[in-house]
Amino acid sequence: QKEVEQNSGPLSVPEGAIASLNCTYSDRVSQSFFWYRQYSGKSPELIMSIYSNGDKEDGRFTAQLNKASQYVSLLIRDSQPSDSATYLCAVLRGYGQNFVFGPGTRLSVLP
Amino acid sequence: DVKVTQSSRYLVKRTGEKVFLECVQDMDHENMFWYRQDPGLGLRLIYFSYDVKMKEKGDIPEGYSVSREKKERFSLILESASTNQTSMYLCASNRSGTREQFFGPGTRLTVL
Repeated sequence: QKEVEQNSGPLSVPEGAIASLNCTYSDRVSQSFFWYRQYSGKSPELIMSIYSNGDKEDGRFTAQLNKASQYVSLLIRDSQPSDSATYLCAVLRGYGQNFVFGPGTRLSVLP
Repeated sequence: DVKVTQSSRYLVKRTGEKVFLECVQDMDHENMFWYRQDPGLGLRLIYFSYDVKMKEKGDIPEGYSVSREKKERFSLILESASTNQTSMYLCASNRSGTREQFFGPGTRLTVL
């Protein structure tokens, strides 16, 4: 089992819809979870972090964490074509200082 | 603004050559990381360093070495480049105790 898994996509949604991106992880000790956005040909940029069970909202983005199910998700409301990118889920390893990334989900928002 | 720079955006080398990839950060971060990114595999950690002259193996260290002689600079070395090391290489850094990583622009390395 891979440490961090994501659907590779592509996930296509119409403009204005809600995009839902999912991530599961295998290390039960992990406490810190991140969503990075990566535009084609660019480096990843952090858009959300979440450390506690429940929801965390920031503008159009909501991160959801369920540690019992080892599941993290990212919701993007009112999706825009500019949201079209690859979204990477990252997990800070249990007691370490290094991170493990999922393979990414490619999102396409259609005008 | 945190700035992480990498020495080259594109690099073409031949099999067997020794390759140096340089990364410099200007925010006095203790931790620095080298990843490679391949389609369908995401980012995979090669090596990381949490202090000058300290290094730790990541998930795929084989065929690579690193050097950190100064706090701001972290070098990735391919001792004898092979075609399976053709990839996008990303450097990142963060302050010890914080969780956000800042990435450089990446170096796309092609080994012929």
